[in-house]
Amino acid sequence: QKEVEQDPGPLSVPEGAIVSLNCTYSNSAFQYFMWYRQYSRKGPELLMYTYSSGNKEDGRFTAQVDKSSKYISLFIRDSQPSDSATYLCAMSNTGGFKTIFGAGTRLFVKA
Amino acid sequence: EPEVTQTPSHQVTQMGQEVILRCVPISNHLYFYWYRQILGQKVEFLVSFYNNEISEKSEIFDDQFSVERPDGSNFTLKIRSTKLEDSAMYFCASRSLAAREETQYFGPGTRLLVL
Repeated sequence: QKEVEQDPGPLSVPEGAIVSLNCTYSNSAFQYFMWYRQYSRKGPELLMYTYSSGNKEDGRFTAQVDKSSKYISLFIRDSQPSDSATYLCAMSNTGGFKTIFGAGTRLFVKA
Repeated sequence: EPEVTQTPSHQVTQMGQEVILRCVPISNHLYFYWYRQILGQKVEFLVSFYNNEISEKSEIFDDQFSVERPDGSNFTLKIRSTKLEDSAMYFCASRSLAAREETQYFGPGTRLLVL
């Protein structure tokens, strides 16, 4: 079983739709959960991070962590064409010395 | 806004040659990382570095790889004898020790092509 599983997509939605992205993981030691956005041939850009379980909201983005189910989600409200990118989940254990990334989900938002 | 920088942006080298990839982390950050991303594949952890020593490394980071912080600002990744399969995008990242800032900021990457 992979440490982090993420559906690579692609996921195509119309502009204005609510997007739901998610990852599952197997390592219960993970404490820090991040979402990155990556445009083609660029470095990952941090979107959201959450410590342990719970929800976090930032503008149109909401991150959720359910440690009991080992499941994390990112919701994007009122999606825009500029949101078209690859979204990477990432997680690390206490200390954050080693971060494991999911495969990334390619998102296309159509105008 | 402070950012992580990497040089060169592109590097082409012959198989068997040594390459050094350079990174300047964000100035008040104390943890440093290298990752690689083979074209079309996931971002893979290579190594983390703190207090002038390796904190953790992956199975990819074998004896051909080394890291160094030669001065107060640079962080380098050396590949001693490059192989074709080392062709990838290499990303440097850094993070601070501030409370709850347990996350990393990535540089733009160096694209390495081994011929």
